[in-house]
Amino acid sequence: DAGVIQSPRHEVTEMGQEVTLRCKPISGHDYLFWYRQTMMRGLELLIYFNNNVPIDDSGMPEDRFSAKMPNASFSTLKIQPSEPRDSAVYFCASSPGTPRELFFGEGSRLTVL
Amino acid sequence: AQSVTQPDIHITVSEGASLELRCNYSYGATPYLFWYVQSPGQGLQLLLKYFSGDTLVQGIKGFEAEFKRSQSSFNLRKPSVHWSDAAEYFCAVGVLTGNQFYFGTGTSLTVIP
Repeated sequence: DAGVIQSPRHEVTEMGQEVTLRCKPISGHDYLFWYRQTMMRGLELLIYFNNNVPIDDSGMPEDRFSAKMPNASFSTLKIQPSEPRDSAVYFCASSPGTPRELFFGEGSRLTVL
Repeated sequence: AQSVTQPDIHITVSEGASLELRCNYSYGATPYLFWYVQSPGQGLQLLLKYFSGDTLVQGIKGFEAEFKRSQSSFNLRKPSVHWSDAAEYFCAVGVLTGNQFYFGTGTSLTVIP
């Protein structure tokens, strides 16, 4: 299996621009998670889906952040408009069930200037 | 509330020396326990997991961990550290209630020749 695939790996954008991060989970995994990692706050859970349905989005920082999962093999995390404080590494992870182990992608490093 | 504590922010060991990374959790029932490793610029990779049964679990790369219910601990050990083990290590707890994962703040390992 190819593992969890994230794109882009690196994104540099200017404040105010829209950013879209993409994730393809491992086939057959029913759960998908979006995490954000920063030096100051460590790993933060933003949102997770079960069978394409958002279950808990309490970690989403504010309305500028949105996440969708239109089908079992694709999810997006969108930031609009982006701000410098959104600079972080965003990880997608999938799981065959919870609380089974999470399988992480390589991450998308976002820099907002 | 559930929590995971990794009391050591940073540890330095000599190559060939033994290693123990500490992890304590707070949870009312027996949790699902995990150790992940993150190399620079990479995603998190699962080292080992404990769900039930034998409290000493073996993982990849020569790591092992022991679940001690009385101490609410799940410490990671390796008898002889290699330079390639230098990375960030995260302890995580999975709980059935709310299907949540909780990550510790991580321990950064430096290996000196």
